Amino acid sequence: AQSVAQPEDQVNVAEGNPLTVKCTYSVSGNPYLFWYVQYPNRGLQFLLKYITGDNLVKGSYGFEAEFNKSQTSFHLKKPSALVSDSALYFCAVRVRAKTSYDKVIFGPGTSLSVIP
Amino acid sequence: SAVISQKPSRDICQRGTSLTIQCQVDSQVTMMFWYRQQPGQSLTLIATANQGSEATYESGFVIDKFPISRPNLTFSTLTVSNMSPEDSSLYLCSVALGNGLDGYTFGSGTRLTVV
Repeated sequence: AQSVAQPEDQVNVAEGNPLTVKCTYSVSGNPYLFWYVQYPNRGLQFLLKYITGDNLVKGSYGFEAEFNKSQTSFHLKKPSALVSDSALYFCAVRVRAKTSYDKVIFGPGTSLSVIP
Repeated sequence: SAVISQKPSRDICQRGTSLTIQCQVDSQVTMMFWYRQQPGQSLTLIATANQGSEATYESGFVIDKFPISRPNLTFSTLTVSNMSPEDSSLYLCSVALGNGLDGYTFGSGTRLTVV
C-alpha cells in the first residue's frame, strides 16, 4: 500500500540549532513529495516539493528537504531554528489512484517545538 | 498560485442537521479535493471532485453522508449530512496547481463543531 510515515510525533529543538523532521514514503513509481506546515487553528501552507532533479530542495522560510531514493526518505531540515517555526509539519506524497487520477496522501504529522 | 476561499470559516451545529461548505477558487482548476482533519489527526481525503462528473469517494466515505457538487471549474460544495459529534473536524478544500506538478493549495478550512 502507498503510504507516508513520520516516525516522530514530536520534535523539540533549541532556538538557533539545526532541525530535522523525518519522513519516509512507500509509493509505486516516481514519487512526488511535499512538505506542508500548519499553524494553530490555520489551514495548510506549502513549504516545498520534490518532483525531479536535485535531491536537495529549497523552500519557504529557510526550509529545505533532502530526497534520498535508496532510503525512500524526504527529511525536512533547517540550519537554524526559530521559535516561530513551532508548528505541525506534514509530509505528503502524490499517488496514482485506482481510477487513474492523482491524489495526495498525508503523513500523520510531526509537532515541532522550538525552545527559546 | 491559486487562492481559495472557504465559507464558513467555522460553525457550531446541532446533531442531525446538515452543513454545506463552499469552496471558491480564483482560477479554473480541473480537480478539487475535500479533506477532513479530525482533532489531533492528520488529513484524510474524503473525495475528489471533477467538473462535469460525479465525485470519487475514498474508502470510508459515502455520497449520502458527504454529497459534493462541482458546477463549474472554480467552485465546489461539500455537505456534511445528518451530523453527529464525530463529524466535528476541520474540513479543507484543495486544488492541484499545474496538474499537481506545482503542488497543491489549501483553503483556510471550515472548523465544524457538532453539539
